[in-house]
Amino acid sequence: GAVVSQHPSRVICKSGTSVKIECRSLDFQATTMFWYRQFPKKSLMLMATSNEGSKATYEQGVEKDKFLINHASLTLSTLTVTSAHPEDSSFYICSAQDRDRYGYTFGSGTRLTVV
Amino acid sequence: QKEVEQDPGPLSVPEGAIVSLNCTYSNSAFQYFMWYRQYSRKGPELLMYTYSSGNKEDGRFTAQVDKSSKYISLFIRDSQPSDSATYLCAMSVTGNNRLAFGKGNQVVVIP
Repeated sequence: GAVVSQHPSRVICKSGTSVKIECRSLDFQATTMFWYRQFPKKSLMLMATSNEGSKATYEQGVEKDKFLINHASLTLSTLTVTSAHPEDSSFYICSAQDRDRYGYTFGSGTRLTVV
Repeated sequence: QKEVEQDPGPLSVPEGAIVSLNCTYSNSAFQYFMWYRQYSRKGPELLMYTYSSGNKEDGRFTAQVDKSSKYISLFIRDSQPSDSATYLCAMSVTGNNRLAFGKGNQVVVIP
């Protein structure tokens, strides 16, 4: 089945630094990748939608300069949290839509802790 | 009114019982309906998806969609402790790849 690899699974960084999270579709080409944020015991909050080779579309209230998304190829999208602050600590999850069939496959998530 | 409503639970059942989960929604344009399972500190995993109304069965899992009532259900038969997880419903409109999620329902199957 479709597999999405997300890396790192856990990261701790100092306030003010930047963190990059990678999302790769391993056995399919992803026309579209999504980035979500999930708070404890809450549902997934869509942050942005990215299509290969074009700029990401951000949801209302999500700072595009803070959460930089790059979708350079059909198998790789990255989310960079710039100048991270403790309030950015959260669980970030990517998902990818298979170009050839219906379905959304999620990565295993990244637990970001900003200290 | 939120697009998708789901009772967050938690729901505790003894091993072997039937687990019944449901979501209601307000957008009549939704055509694709999905159920995801999420274990703690992991990403969601697709369990079932259904297009439009009807039932779909896969092993111990049955998904039902009633578009006239804007109501979807997931049933888990012969529940196992390994079924303990959070179950999220999700749905989308044809031609729009954004998913609308429910809050998730935490299920605990007690051995």
